[in-house]
Amino acid sequence: AQSVAQPEDQVNVAEGNPLTVKCTYSVSGNPYLFWYVQYPNRGLQFLLKYITGDNLVKGSYGFEAEFNKSQTSFHLKKPSALVSDSALYFCAVRVANTDKLIFGTGTRLQVFP
Amino acid sequence: ETGVTQTPRHLVMGMTNKKSLKCEQHLGHNAMYWYKQSAKKPLELMFVYSLEERVENNSVPSRFSPECPNSSHLFLHLHTLQPEDSALYLCASSQGRSRSTGELFFGEGSRLTVL
Repeated sequence: AQSVAQPEDQVNVAEGNPLTVKCTYSVSGNPYLFWYVQYPNRGLQFLLKYITGDNLVKGSYGFEAEFNKSQTSFHLKKPSALVSDSALYFCAVRVANTDKLIFGTGTRLQVFP
Repeated sequence: ETGVTQTPRHLVMGMTNKKSLKCEQHLGHNAMYWYKQSAKKPLELMFVYSLEERVENNSVPSRFSPECPNSSHLFLHLHTLQPEDSALYLCASSQGRSRSTGELFFGEGSRLTVL
């Protein structure tokens, strides 16, 4: 069965430092992987996706994610964190041959000034 | 600005009330979804409609009744809810896997409180 795991409930980072939010996946077949961000009292916003091609995927707001097939990981990264990046981040995988996305439990990112 | 609009944004209802949540998408998509987001729980997929047909119903209690009259509109009818149904209900749409890679576009959510 398809699933995603986000091992960290919260990640703390100082402004200006690089950040990483971790995600591992389990899929049958080729993975379709996604990252979303949720600000307080808002819906989820699409950040980026990996379907095929380059392992490093660039997305919105300066975020990028690295697909690693051997480690079944799809970690979200940003070279220099901003206080405004503080939010809840969700990793998701598409269930094969369906329109469904399965979401991880979310990781709260806190960027301190 | 989101292409998926949800109303109302906030709803307070008693356990004996009947109310409905509405979702409208302006993106030309052909699949729509209801998700439930509760505190400290993973996002729960409730219903999926593809081309106006319900293709997924994840063992949701019958007190939640979805309706998809066309590809742009999705409703969630609520009746005799329980306090544990209090949550943020998120609507989303997508192109459907036959036409895209399947990313979802979400509305801002409807915050439901059941007293």
